Amino acid sequence: AQTVTQSQPEMSVQEAETVTLSCTYDTSESDYYLFWYKQPPSRQMILVIRQEAYKQQNATENRFSVNFQKAAKSFSLKISDSQLGDAAMYFCAYRHNNNDMRFGAGTRLTVKP
Amino acid sequence: NAGVTQTPKFRVLKTGQSMTLLCAQDMNHEYMYWYRQDPGMGLRLIHYSVGEGTTAKGEVPDGYNVSRLKKQNFLLGLESAAPSQTSVYFCASSSLPTDWVLMNTEAFFGQGTRLTVV
Repeated sequence: AQTVTQSQPEMSVQEAETVTLSCTYDTSESDYYLFWYKQPPSRQMILVIRQEAYKQQNATENRFSVNFQKAAKSFSLKISDSQLGDAAMYFCAYRHNNNDMRFGAGTRLTVKP
Repeated sequence: NAGVTQTPKFRVLKTGQSMTLLCAQDMNHEYMYWYRQDPGMGLRLIHYSVGEGTTAKGEVPDGYNVSRLKKQNFLLGLESAAPSQTSVYFCASSSLPTDWVLMNTEAFFGQGTRLTVV
């Protein structure tokens, strides 16, 4: 079974600075998808960024970017110019082609003004 | 578009009671999922479905049953509720990974159901 590990239960960043959230995963597959979701206090799950494993280029969405290291099975999320609205739980997720979707335990991000 | 809709949003059950959570999606997605979310444990997959009429067990299936009689609906049942099933339940759906038209491989989530078993 695939597993997703987020080793940082909590992280803190100063407003306008950069923070990196870690994620590692375990799989024997070569073709899969990785995601970062944000969950604010409203409980809504919001997709932040996705990465297809066959793509070598790291995905970027505005202030959010990933560092995808396929050989190391690592998928970290970098948030640049952090804003107060970025405060939330962040979940890393893995999906194989014909399989279910698995999540990490989450990282709670606090943004200090 | 409504997206993914879960009903009810809140529920309190007594130990031993039964109930069904309904998930409906209007995006014609093949895949549907039920997760439970508990503090410090993230989202854990209970059951999922890869198409109408199919279901499969996830990480924590015990105590739950599911049905996918219609493509747009995925039901989660608790036959005899236990306090350990107190949690927030999320339903999600996603398209086939090879849906190159949409290129949407992520899961879309409902708003969650807070269930308390006393």
